[in-house]
Amino acid sequence: AQSVTQLGSHVSVSEGALVLLRCNYSSSVPPYLFWYVQYPNQGLQLLLKYTTGATLVKGINGFEAEFKKSETSFHLTKPSAHMSDAAEYFCAVSAFTGFQKLVFGTGTRLLVSP
Amino acid sequence: DGGITQSPKYLFRKEGQNVTLSCEQNLNHDAMYWYRQDPGQGLRLIYYSQIVNDFQKGDIAEGYSVSREKKESFPLTVTSAQKNPTAFYLCASSGRARTGHSNQPQHFGDGTRLSIL
Repeated sequence: AQSVTQLGSHVSVSEGALVLLRCNYSSSVPPYLFWYVQYPNQGLQLLLKYTTGATLVKGINGFEAEFKKSETSFHLTKPSAHMSDAAEYFCAVSAFTGFQKLVFGTGTRLLVSP
Repeated sequence: DGGITQSPKYLFRKEGQNVTLSCEQNLNHDAMYWYRQDPGQGLRLIYYSQIVNDFQKGDIAEGYSVSREKKESFPLTVTSAQKNPTAFYLCASSGRARTGHSNQPQHFGDGTRLSIL
């Protein structure tokens, strides 16, 4: 079975600081991994995805994530936070179990202060 | 522009009432999903459909029902049997995954917030 753990329900950074949101996964098969962002009262928007190949994945809005199989991690980073990055971020793992099931973490709310 | 449209954005349910949430997509996706989102719990799968006229229960299907009569549409009914329906409901769609290729990202609508009167 697949599962995702996101460390820290809230992360606070200053504008211009490094953003690091942590995600660890568990999967019995090679995983496909996703990061989504959710702004208040909106749906989820795909930031980036890891399927196979390059372990460093670049996404939208300057975000990137690195797949580390040895650490079962897929942490999301951005070199310099912007006020508009304040949102909730979800990590998800996917596996084909008769259908494509996405299993989500509980989310991390990113707070950005001036 | 292609996308997923959910309506209404806000919905209020009276005791003993069934309510239906609409979800329409024009992405030509085969698969559609309904999720429930509660604070601090992430997203939980209610129902999914991989093809027209077929759907399956997800992890928390009790008190909900769906239909899939058209490829573009996947309405969700919250029945009176669902005792705690207050939540944010999200509809999603994706291309059809094949064995060993579960890398189809899901695209989400903007959600419906359901509250009890």
